Amino acid sequence: AQKVTQAQTEISVVEKEDVTLDCVYETRDTTYYLFWYKQPPSGELVFLIRRNSFDEQNEISGRYSWNFQKSTSSFNFTITASQVVDSAVYFCALSEGGYIPTFGRGTSLIVHP
Amino acid sequence: DAGVTQSPTHLIKTRGQQVTLRCSPKSGHDTVSWYQQALGQGPQFIFQYYEEEERQRGNFPDRFSGHQFPNYSSELNVNALLLGDSALYLCASSFGTGLFAFGSGTRLTVV
Repeated sequence: AQKVTQAQTEISVVEKEDVTLDCVYETRDTTYYLFWYKQPPSGELVFLIRRNSFDEQNEISGRYSWNFQKSTSSFNFTITASQVVDSAVYFCALSEGGYIPTFGRGTSLIVHP
Repeated sequence: DAGVTQSPTHLIKTRGQQVTLRCSPKSGHDTVSWYQQALGQGPQFIFQYYEEEERQRGNFPDRFSGHQFPNYSSELNVNALLLGDSALYLCASSFGTGLFAFGSGTRLTVV
């Protein structure tokens, strides 16, 4: 069975600080996908990234970066120079075979001005 | 290009009643999945519909049922509502193993 653990329930930072959101996953499959979604107060889940299990390359997109390590079953997400608009709940998700994502409990990020 | 649309956005129901939530998928998508998100929790998978049939189901009781129409839109029905059914219900559409597009959800409150 697949499982995603986001141990950080809430993180509070001051604007311009860097922040890392942790994600640890469990799966027996060798082929799987990992995701990060952002959920602002409006409720809609906004897709940020998808990585497959065969691609351990780290990725950077503007102020966002992701560190995928199969050895520790982790897929961590870093926001550099955080901004107030980054305040949201962030979800890590896992899907085996690329179909139905299973979500973690989410990390609420609060960025203070 | 409209994304996933859900209706209504909010509703309040009484215990024991029945409710129907609606979802229109993103253009070009043929698969609809439903999730329940309780307050402070991550979304939990309810079921997925493809070609008007339930293709996969999560760990939810039979009180939760659904339907998909020929135009790919979908309904989620919940019978005999319980207080614990209060949650944000999210609809997601997809095509093949492509990315899920999520709607903004329907917030259901059971009193």
